[in-house]
Amino acid sequence: GAVVSQHPSWVICKSGTSVKIECRSLDFQATTMFWYRQFPKQSLMLMATSNEGSKATYEQGVEKDKFLINHASLTLSTLTVTSAHPEDSSFYICSARGAGAEGYTFGSGTRLTVV
Amino acid sequence: ILNVEQSPQSLHVQEGDSTNFTCSFPSSNFYALHWYRWETAKSPEALFVMTLNGDEKKKGRISATLNTKEGYSYLYIKGSQPEDSATYLCALVSNFGNEKLTFGTGTRLTIIP
Repeated sequence: GAVVSQHPSWVICKSGTSVKIECRSLDFQATTMFWYRQFPKQSLMLMATSNEGSKATYEQGVEKDKFLINHASLTLSTLTVTSAHPEDSSFYICSARGAGAEGYTFGSGTRLTVV
Repeated sequence: ILNVEQSPQSLHVQEGDSTNFTCSFPSSNFYALHWYRWETAKSPEALFVMTLNGDEKKKGRISATLNTKEGYSYLYIKGSQPEDSATYLCALVSNFGNEKLTFGTGTRLTIIP
């Protein structure tokens, strides 16, 4: 079945630095990529949606200059958390969908801790 | 903001027993409902995509029903096994014309051997 590989699975970074998270679709073309984050005891919340070759569409309240999304190819999307702060510490997970597909394939998530 | 709720938040079930839990959503915004099974440190695994009122889907010992008029879906697990321990998520696709999933907070199921 469809697989999305997400790396890293966890990362600790210093406040003020940037962190890049990658999601690769291994056996299908991800025309649309969704990025979510989850704070403790809360649901997965959509941050942004990106289509290959287009600018991402961000949800209300998500800063596009802070969370940079690149979806330059049909198999790779990246989320860069710029100038990270402790309040950005969260669980980030991507989900990909191919053209005409009914379902969504998730990565395994990245636990980000900013110290 | 769409409100998708799941209950209970967590439950413990003896191995061999059957169980079920609920996902409720605003019926007026329904387009499709997804169920996922999510084990720790793994990717959420798609279980069902439900679109029709009255639909019932089955995958092994797991089944799900859908009532779009009253805005709820049930997930049933028959004869629970330790490997069923996971968090079960439901997610609504709304009729807003986009592909976004709105998730509930999940039901964390623990099977007691």
